[in-house]
Amino acid sequence: QKEVEQDPGPLSVPEGAIVSLNCTYSNSAFQYFMWYRQYSRKGPELLMYTYSSGNKEDGRFTAQVDKSSKYISLFIRDSQPSDSATYLCAMSGAGGTSYGKLTFGQGTILTVHP
Amino acid sequence: GAVVSQHPSWVICKSGTSVKIECRSLDFQATTMFWYRQFPKQSLMLMATSNEGSKATYEQGVEKDKFLINHASLTLSTLTVTSAHPEDSSFYICSANRRKETQYFGPGTRLLVL
Repeated sequence: QKEVEQDPGPLSVPEGAIVSLNCTYSNSAFQYFMWYRQYSRKGPELLMYTYSSGNKEDGRFTAQVDKSSKYISLFIRDSQPSDSATYLCAMSGAGGTSYGKLTFGQGTILTVHP
Repeated sequence: GAVVSQHPSWVICKSGTSVKIECRSLDFQATTMFWYRQFPKQSLMLMATSNEGSKATYEQGVEKDKFLINHASLTLSTLTVTSAHPEDSSFYICSANRRKETQYFGPGTRLLVL
């Protein structure tokens, strides 16, 4: 079993839809949770960063972390064609040998069509 | 957001030659940088952790003599692929920690070994 599971999709939605992306994980030591967006042939771009459980909102993006269920989500409201990309969840532990090391999900390919 | 650059953005080389890739943090100092490898339609695979002023830490299965890492300053890490072969062709991405738990990624370097 992978440490981080993410449905690779692909996910196709119409413009304006609400998109829900999810990851589950098995390592209870993970404390920091991130969502990255990666366009084709580009490096990942940090979208959201959350520490421990809770919600965080930034514009059209909302990140949720439920540590009790080991489940994280990213919601995109009013999705736009420019949101079409691969979305990667990533997480890391609090320190020690896991310091700074990210464990990634497989990535979900999202297409928003006009 | 923080800016991390990579050079070159793409390189084609003959089998048996060595290729150096540079990773720079442009607006912050990074004591730790990371090198990843990404195959098409797959997630990022951590190769090694680059520590300023000390030896890099390699992930299991990554040949340290083949992938030489040097982190000579707080803003520059280099990855040298020695005696490159076609199976080394991939997308190489670096990242740098701005804060303890947040990584910013470079745009990636596409390597093609003929």
